[in-house]
Amino acid sequence: AQSVTQLGSHVSVSEGALVLLRCNYSSSVPPYLFWYVQYPNQGLQLLLKYTTGATLVKGINGFEAEFKKSETSFHLTKPSAHMSDAAEYFCAVNQAGTALIFGKGTTLSVSS
Amino acid sequence: DVKVTQSSRYLVKRTGEKVFLECVQDMDHENMFWYRQDPGLGLRLIYFSYDVKMKEKGDIPEGYSVSREKKERFSLILESASTNQTSMYLCASSSGLGGPYEQYFGPGTRLTVT
Repeated sequence: AQSVTQLGSHVSVSEGALVLLRCNYSSSVPPYLFWYVQYPNQGLQLLLKYTTGATLVKGINGFEAEFKKSETSFHLTKPSAHMSDAAEYFCAVNQAGTALIFGKGTTLSVSS
Repeated sequence: DVKVTQSSRYLVKRTGEKVFLECVQDMDHENMFWYRQDPGLGLRLIYFSYDVKMKEKGDIPEGYSVSREKKERFSLILESASTNQTSMYLCASSSGLGGPYEQYFGPGTRLTVT
């Protein structure tokens, strides 16, 4: 069965610092991987997704993620954090014929 | 733009009440999903539907049922609400099931059962 592990339930950075949110997956077949963001009191919004092809995926709001098969990882990064990036971030993997499987989420705090 | 709407943003119900949470999508998606979200547990799948009148149990279906009479509408039913069903409920839809198809989410319903 597929699963997702997000390392660190809470990450704190200063404004302008690098953001790194970690995600590892387990899958017996090539995975489809997603990052979603949830701002306070809102639903989830897709940041980016990896399907096939280029392993470095660019998303909205300056975020990107790199699929590394050898490390079974799909870490999310942003070179320079902004206050508006404060939110909860979810990594997810898609299983054929059913719904997304989510990690437990990472809350990102950004301080000035 | 895909739009998924949920009937209520906030709902307060009493223990033992029958509760209906409604979800509507406007993009003619085949698949619809109900999740509950709790702190530290992420999103957990309750039920999903891949066609009208079709449904599949997710990871935590106990205490819930669903109804899909029309393609655009997917309802979650709590037959007899209990305090441990206090949670955020999120509805989603997608054009395909699994694979590269992302899911589009509604804004959520925060349900409190007292």
